[in-house]
Amino acid sequence: EPEVTQTPSHQVTQMGQEVILRCVPISNHLYFYWYRQILGQKVEFLVSFYNNEISEKSEIFDDQFSVERPDGSNFTLKIRSTKLEDSAMYFCASSSTSVEQFFGPGTRLTVL
Amino acid sequence: GEDVEQSLFLSVREGDSSVINCTYTDSSSTYLYWYKQEPGAGLQLLTYIFSNMDMKQDQRLTVLLNKKDKHLSLRIADTQTGDSAIYFCAESIRGGATNKLIFGTGTLLAVQP
Repeated sequence: EPEVTQTPSHQVTQMGQEVILRCVPISNHLYFYWYRQILGQKVEFLVSFYNNEISEKSEIFDDQFSVERPDGSNFTLKIRSTKLEDSAMYFCASSSTSVEQFFGPGTRLTVL
Repeated sequence: GEDVEQSLFLSVREGDSSVINCTYTDSSSTYLYWYKQEPGAGLQLLTYIFSNMDMKQDQRLTVLLNKKDKHLSLRIADTQTGDSAIYFCAESIRGGATNKLIFGTGTLLAVQP
């Protein structure tokens, strides 16, 4: 069964460094999302992407964040200058119809 | 604003039914979802219901939706130890071409053998 994959599973970085989280959505899906879950808190929407552009972004998704679909298979989230409060589990999701969203296993980001 | 609330913990005995409850605030939600998260794993889509329905059954899972009270429940029949996990309720909110999901806090279901 097709699934969303994410790499790396765990990323440790120093405050101020740039990180790129990678996702491979399910093939033929058209809608892509990033969510995050800070430890002990709710899963929060960050951004959605469709037709090669951002469809919606949350207040969290400020100028430090960017997303890209550099080729036909990858979907990336870049954090330009990480802060301690960016430490969280980041989930990628994809959807063929924007109704059912299928999530990847997540990348745990630890900012020191 | 958009908010989804769930109770934090539910403990049941194996073989019993489990009922996990959820309330939401946005009456414009088009779909409501239940996701399951096992330890160290991602969010697995269990089932979802369109907002103009009041019930959906899928094998051991029954979803009930009371749109007037903005209340959603998930019933798991004949609960097994493998059902032990965190269950998240979510509502979808339309934004541009996509639907973003607003999640609840998650309910930890503990199944006692």
